[in-house]
Amino acid sequence: AAGVIQSPRHLIKEKRETATLKCYPIPRHDTVYWYQQGPGQDPQFLISFYEKMQSDKGSIPDRFSAQQFSDYHSELNMSSLELGDSALYFCASSAPPDNYGYTFGSGTRLTVV
Amino acid sequence: DAKTTQPPSMDCAEGRAANLPCNHSTISGNEYVYWYRQIHSQGPQYIIHGLKNNETNEMASLIITEDRKSSTLILPHATLRDTAVYYCIVRPFGVGNTGNQFYFGTGTSLTVIP
Repeated sequence: AAGVIQSPRHLIKEKRETATLKCYPIPRHDTVYWYQQGPGQDPQFLISFYEKMQSDKGSIPDRFSAQQFSDYHSELNMSSLELGDSALYFCASSAPPDNYGYTFGSGTRLTVV
Repeated sequence: DAKTTQPPSMDCAEGRAANLPCNHSTISGNEYVYWYRQIHSQGPQYIIHGLKNNETNEMASLIITEDRKSSTLILPHATLRDTAVYYCIVRPFGVGNTGNQFYFGTGTSLTVIP
């Protein structure tokens, strides 16, 4: 079965650079969630989109932005990268009724040097 | 915000049942109990969820106390591949298009020992 696809799998950036992470949800899933997981930390909710509109906002820094496109894929844009942004970034998708939980991708490992 | 309490770590012998407890004493009437697990650096994986009745699927069983203030996830025959961090999360049911995110607290690191 199709899963949530994230790209790239690994990304190395320098401080103050920008990065764009992509997420392709499961077909017919209309909701996308972004999470950040720092080393030794639990996943932290950043932001979510439903039908291309932002639905909820978590602990997303102002330097980050995200959007969901007409084909339901989503992109997380990160600017002025800091060393502390080094983390695993997970995307998840769901479709109503989503009370069965949602499906996570394999993540993008971002390293800022 | 996470509204659950779990032990930070547990060990279980391979082949035995793993019983992972979770306290959610402030759970609301419209909140479900969900369990996810995360195998090292992989994306979290949905396991099971329930409201007030015990639930079972091919992965695990979920036992929820009658007052719904605590629950136990049971892996009936733990294998080495079940070594992971297990998260217990409460979330409202059917809230519409918002409020559907899961907040991961500090889960239980389960180690299955050969």
